[in-house]
Amino acid sequence: DAGVIQSPRHEVTEMGQEVTLRCKPISGHDYLFWYRQTMMRGLELLIYFNNNVPIDDSGMPEDRFSAKMPNASFSTLKIQPSEPRDSAVYFCASSLGRGRGGYTFGSGTRLTVV
Amino acid sequence: GDSVTQMEGPVTLSEEAFLTINCTYTATGYPSLFWYVQYPGEGLQLLLKATKADDKGSNKGFEATYRKETTSFHLEKGSVQVSDSAVYFCAPNTNAGKSTFGDGTTLTVKP
Repeated sequence: DAGVIQSPRHEVTEMGQEVTLRCKPISGHDYLFWYRQTMMRGLELLIYFNNNVPIDDSGMPEDRFSAKMPNASFSTLKIQPSEPRDSAVYFCASSLGRGRGGYTFGSGTRLTVV
Repeated sequence: GDSVTQMEGPVTLSEEAFLTINCTYTATGYPSLFWYVQYPGEGLQLLLKATKADDKGSNKGFEATYRKETTSFHLEKGSVQVSDSAVYFCAPNTNAGKSTFGDGTTLTVKP
């Protein structure tokens, strides 16, 4: 398996623009997580899905952020409009059966909003 | 809610020194416990795990023992190498399927 695949690896955008981050989880995994990592706040859970259904989105910072999982092999995290404070590394992770075997993380998307 | 307290970093050691990174947690139910490692510019990777009391997880010379009575899962390695320089995260996982991650401990090993 190729692991969790995220795209793009790097994204530079101007304030106010829409940004879409993409994630392909490991085939067969039924949980998918979106995290944001910054120096100031560390690793923050934004939202997670079970069998494509959002379970907990309490970590989504505000209405500018939205996430979807239209099928078991694809998820998106969208920021509209983007702001400089959204600059961070965004990670997607997937797991099987409540994560008792651990998570598999993607390589992340480094987002810079100028 | 669940929480994790990790030893504050950064930690700087000389090659072949002994490493301990402390981790204590509070969690509902009976969590599985994990250590993850993050190398520069990469995502987190699962390093080791333990699923029940007194279990010892081990990988790449690292070890951690599930201590239910003290709610701890300290990471140890007998002889660190320069290539072990990374950020280490402790993470209990409860029955809800969600892991809680510590703040991470940065380890630098000097030759």
